[in-house]
Amino acid sequence: DTGVSQDPRHKITKRGQNVTFRCDPISEHNRLYWYRQTLGQGPEFLTYFQNEAQLEKSRLLSDRFSAERPKGSFSTLEIQRTEQGDSAMYLCAGQVNTEAFFGQGTRLTVV
Amino acid sequence: RKEVEQDPGPFNVPEGATVAFNCTYSNSASQSFFWYRQDCRKEPKLLMSVYSSGNEDGRFTAQLNRASQYISLLIRDSKLSDSATYLCVVNLQGGKLIFGQGTELSVKP
Repeated sequence: DTGVSQDPRHKITKRGQNVTFRCDPISEHNRLYWYRQTLGQGPEFLTYFQNEAQLEKSRLLSDRFSAERPKGSFSTLEIQRTEQGDSAMYLCAGQVNTEAFFGQGTRLTVV
Repeated sequence: RKEVEQDPGPFNVPEGATVAFNCTYSNSASQSFFWYRQDCRKEPKLLMSVYSSGNEDGRFTAQLNRASQYISLLIRDSKLSDSATYLCVVNLQGGKLIFGQGTELSVKP
């Protein structure tokens, strides 16, 4: 058990709808990352936080993606006006010192 | 050029074989290095950190060559249960973790 939980585990949505995912790390995870992964590829960096501060957002992300980490605890990732190309596994990781531990991910399917 | 590059494989090896994975990274300011293992449709799990002096954990040995910006993972006496995708991970200066695309390993009886 890595201590990182993600909700929901699976999400099916219609194109054009908004979706929000949640990640709950443990309190020791001062850094929190979001990644996207498609079949046959490694996790692709989306954004990360140091406590509540968002330090970097990937240039690959369109303005439809936004993430927050209020109070430096849980984090949310929102995708607005979903497109079929958004279908992927969305992974959250908490980092303590240098090692990062992943949640089980949210699998998004846009139909 | 990708920030972290790996041979995607797949590597198909018999049980008991020794197999080596290589990884190169482009940012010389990278500070920390890791190997993760990912089973099909599961999340990545930390296999081992990679230290400058090299380190070993049972059948697994990791090496780092900062001058060549190269990381390796050696698996000895491979088991069926080692079948997975192995991800090379680099922690850039400032803390961003970057993953390679992964190398798929299939160990056959």
